[in-house]
Amino acid sequence: DAEITQSPRHKITETGRQVTLACHQTWNHNNMFWYRQDLGHGLRLIHYSYGVQDTNKGEVSDGYSVSRSNTEDLPLTLESAASSQTSVYFCASSALAGVNTGELFFGEGSRLTVL
Amino acid sequence: SQQGEEDPQALSIQEGENATMNCSYKTSINNLQWYRQNSGRGLVHLILIRSNEREKHSGRLRVTLDTSKKSSSLLITASRAADTASYFCAAFQGGKLIFGQGTELSVKP
Repeated sequence: DAEITQSPRHKITETGRQVTLACHQTWNHNNMFWYRQDLGHGLRLIHYSYGVQDTNKGEVSDGYSVSRSNTEDLPLTLESAASSQTSVYFCASSALAGVNTGELFFGEGSRLTVL
Repeated sequence: SQQGEEDPQALSIQEGENATMNCSYKTSINNLQWYRQNSGRGLVHLILIRSNEREKHSGRLRVTLDTSKKSSSLLITASRAADTASYFCAAFQGGKLIFGQGTELSVKP
């Protein structure tokens, strides 16, 4: 069965360190998204990609970057981790994009703690 | 912020009762989706309602959409303890799919 997997599921790091969260999907979807989830804020869009070599900023992109070198993967990098980036991160993918965006398929999340 | 506003933030009911959650946005809505999230898990898609639809049913779920009020509601009928979860709406806004802040539903047996 097709799926979307995130790794690591849990990570503790220190302020200032670079961190990369992996996201891999086997749906063959062109569209991939990274969200962060915090109490009181729901899910907020960080970055998204509509295909290989395409990346776009979301609502809360400062301090994060992504790259899309193939269809399956969209790694999220925190260049210099800050305590404010302690959160649960979700990767998602979809078959359709734009105003016709349909169902998003979510990974199980990566819980990041920055000390 | 473009985020959707959900109401109530938390809802506690008894098994067998109906649960209603509401969602509203500040700008116009095209298609609107509802998702469910069990504790510690990823979100799972429940239902999508298109802008030309006013009401849609799926099993015990009933979703309405009022584009003039930029709002939607999710009704879960005859709730079960297994319906305990957080529920999120999501709408396409400003070129992106934007989620509401969620309603935490607790169904007591």
